[in-house]
Amino acid sequence: GQNIDQPTEMTATEGAIVQINCTYQTSGFNGLFWYQQHAGEAPTFLSYNVLDGLEEKGRFSSFLSRSKGYSYLLLKELQMKDSASYLCAVRHNAGNMLTFGGGTRLMVKP
Amino acid sequence: KAGVTQTPRYLIKTRGQQVTLSCSPISGHRSVSWYQQTPGQGLQFLFEYFSETQRNKGNFPGRFSGRQFSNSRSEMNVSTLELGDSALYLCASSLESYEQYFGPGTRLTVT
Repeated sequence: GQNIDQPTEMTATEGAIVQINCTYQTSGFNGLFWYQQHAGEAPTFLSYNVLDGLEEKGRFSSFLSRSKGYSYLLLKELQMKDSASYLCAVRHNAGNMLTFGGGTRLMVKP
Repeated sequence: KAGVTQTPRYLIKTRGQQVTLSCSPISGHRSVSWYQQTPGQGLQFLFEYFSETQRNKGNFPGRFSGRQFSNSRSEMNVSTLELGDSALYLCASSLESYEQYFGPGTRLTVT
């Protein structure tokens, strides 16, 4: 079966760094995605990893270890607008079928 | 470039009825995927269409169906609605197999 785990909630302070972890056990692996979703809005793409290592994009970085079934999203210099849910998703095969984790609700406090 | 559009944005239906939701992908995108989002189950994959053919299918009952037209626009249909079908239905389009762009969703309430 498919199993993707991430913490339900996290709290961090404005200006700080936060790491959101995601572990997965899935049949087939063809990449891992991170999406951001603000309340009442659609998910927006943040990052994509298919090979092991770190991908950096501005204040956001994502890491993947395929052998450990593990990924994390690192957010630096947190801003209030970063308060949102962060969704980890695995693609299993060719095509766009994604299995999502339950999402991590991040609250950034002043 | 216009984003993914979904119609209607909000819908209220009664148990037993059927509903059709529409999705227009970003121009040039041939892949359209549908997802159901609920507080309890999160985001769950329904199906994906690519060039008018269903390429992937999730674990939903046969009451959930979809199709894609030659202009890549897609519709999904839910027949014999149940209370548990109340959800946000999201459509996402993609150029190939990579980044998916989500539409604003259709909020379906079944009473």
